[in-house]
Amino acid sequence: GDSVTQMEGPVTLSEEAFLTINCTYTATGYPSLFWYVQYPGEGLQLLLKATKADDKGSNKGFEATYRKETTSFHLEKGSVQVSDSAVYFCALSDPGTSGTYKYIFGTGTRLKVLA
Amino acid sequence: AAGVIQSPRHLIKEKRETATLKCYPIPRHDTVYWYQQGPGQDPQFLISFYEKMQSDKGSIPDRFSAQQFSDYHSELNMSSLELGDSALYFCASSSEREVFVGEQFFGPGTRLTVL
Repeated sequence: GDSVTQMEGPVTLSEEAFLTINCTYTATGYPSLFWYVQYPGEGLQLLLKATKADDKGSNKGFEATYRKETTSFHLEKGSVQVSDSAVYFCALSDPGTSGTYKYIFGTGTRLKVLA
Repeated sequence: AAGVIQSPRHLIKEKRETATLKCYPIPRHDTVYWYQQGPGQDPQFLISFYEKMQSDKGSIPDRFSAQQFSDYHSELNMSSLELGDSALYFCASSSEREVFVGEQFFGPGTRLTVL
């Protein structure tokens, strides 16, 4: 079945450091890919998305490129801030055989940015 | 813009009690998804509805049931609650008629605590 694999956290960085959170996936069809962010005690906020190969999603300085050849959707940011401290989830939506667009989430990566 | 509304936001129940969680999707969205996120876990898909019919089923216990009503709101009914049911329950909505098919919009979640 479909799955998402994320790098394990926690990831601890100093402010202004470069961030990469790896995400790879397996899917039967052609999934859409998403990154969600969850701040402590809050819900899931869409960070960025991509629907097809070579699409680049970007938002708030974060970027991720849909790489079909490596089945990856790595999240990057050039300069992190303390306010970026949160848990980041990679997710895919693939109707596959079920015909529905339920999300499959990765296990989440906790990011802590130190001032 | 209108968002997904969930009620209640917090709920405390005793073991073996019942609980009902409600979800009001974004207007004109026809699909509702329910997810369960245990402490420190990734969200797990429970069940979905499209046009008031169940469209997919995930790891939902038999003690749980759900439905989508004529106004498209959905309710998740949980009976014989167990300690392990303590989690954050998310509802998400989407529209199969949207250009970007597959994107879900999440509510803030209902935090259920079973004592």
